Amino acid sequence: TQLLEQSPQFLSIQEGENLTVYCNSSSVFSSLQWYRQEPGEGPVLLVTVVTGGEVKKLKRLTFQFGDARKDSSLHITAAQPGDTGLYLCAGDPNDYKLSFGAGTTVTVRA
Amino acid sequence: ETGVTQTPRHLVMGMTNKKSLKCEQHLGHNAMYWYKQSAKKPLELMFVYSLEERVENNSVPSRFSPECPNSSHLFLHLHTLQPEDSALYLCASSQDLGNEQFFGPGTRLTVL
Repeated sequence: TQLLEQSPQFLSIQEGENLTVYCNSSSVFSSLQWYRQEPGEGPVLLVTVVTGGEVKKLKRLTFQFGDARKDSSLHITAAQPGDTGLYLCAGDPNDYKLSFGAGTTVTVRA
Repeated sequence: ETGVTQTPRHLVMGMTNKKSLKCEQHLGHNAMYWYKQSAKKPLELMFVYSLEERVENNSVPSRFSPECPNSSHLFLHLHTLQPEDSALYLCASSQDLGNEQFFGPGTRLTVL
């Protein structure tokens, strides 16, 4: 059983559409991080959320941390082909060891 | 060079070969990590070093041997690997344990 469950596993949308991906757990996290990974590359950190209920915006990306600090969501507005990639969430439930979700593969078609 | 670099980017080796993966970070971080990423599986933490001391060995087979000669460099020595060890091996670093991690581009390893 994974500590962090991400959904959906795959998402394919047309350019200009909106999308939301989810990261859920039964554990409480001191912080959650979102990464994007492109094929053949390492994950790139997008954002860290640390406060329950926190909302962070990064251009067209909106990240939300659940009030109970057990879940998070990533919403992309007007998706572009450059948003294509594997989106990973990661958290540290009790120490320095990051636990990663399996990721959501997002494909944005031009 | 900036960030975290890894060499080689691609490696093909036989089961009897010995090879090493190299990671270098130019961020002045104190902690470094090795991860394994297999297809359709979450990232698996293998080893953690803090100030050149190993603080985590996550039940990794002994055919993987890490080395951290200083806080900027991390190696993963490989010997007598199995085909199921084929994966993307990622190195990461963080300022200290528990801080945000920054990843290198990975080494794509294929074991024949």
